[in-house]
Amino acid sequence: DTAVSQTPKYLVTQMGNDKSIKCEQNLGHDTMYWYKQDSKKFLKIMFSYNNKELIINETVPNRFSPKSPDKAHLNLHINSLELGDSAVYFCASSDDREPMGGYTFGSGTRLTVV
Amino acid sequence: AQSVTQLGSHVSVSEGALVLLRCNYSSSVPPYLFWYVQYPNQGLQLLLKYTSAATLVKGINGFEAEFKKSETSFHLTKPSAHMSDAAEYFCAVSEGLIKAAGNKLTFGGGTRVLVKP
Repeated sequence: DTAVSQTPKYLVTQMGNDKSIKCEQNLGHDTMYWYKQDSKKFLKIMFSYNNKELIINETVPNRFSPKSPDKAHLNLHINSLELGDSAVYFCASSDDREPMGGYTFGSGTRLTVV
Repeated sequence: AQSVTQLGSHVSVSEGALVLLRCNYSSSVPPYLFWYVQYPNQGLQLLLKYTSAATLVKGINGFEAEFKKSETSFHLTKPSAHMSDAAEYFCAVSEGLIKAAGNKLTFGGGTRVLVKP
């Protein structure tokens, strides 16, 4: 009955590889997000989608490509991984019917690039 | 543009003592403010939120926060710390749901709370 689920929880990969992180929410929310948390715990928004439409695209290298096949899923694909991509990536969702209800977060994907 | 500053990256308190975490915000419109808690190796959980109703907001686990417009602050308090309060706490601000810009939450840098027995 997990509300926002991310897979995998841990991902260790070599520089130059391509990897994907998947996110699914069963809350019926309309908007989904990707946030990056660096080693100093700083959280920064990367993307948001509303009903499969890209709404926010912060200054993120174009090696990062989000994809939303439907409003319950938002995946993140990363090409040519670099050491600096190592971080925890959080997926989140929010309900348009309750704009100030805040986000529901997934438990995160810890990406380590070696 | 919205921004959040959390004073003190680490706070150490004794069990049973007052917990006070400071948050100041900057926003071009009346803000919506949030406090989230992150336990080790977990996602963020909403503690409480201010959405222009009462300025004193009560949340889960005995936490509360007070919105002070004149000070642009939204400090988080708990009268008596418990060992289980040891975690990272994040203050966040949103300028509201603007479809074109999305419902963007901007987070402060976080404050780690250590609770001593």
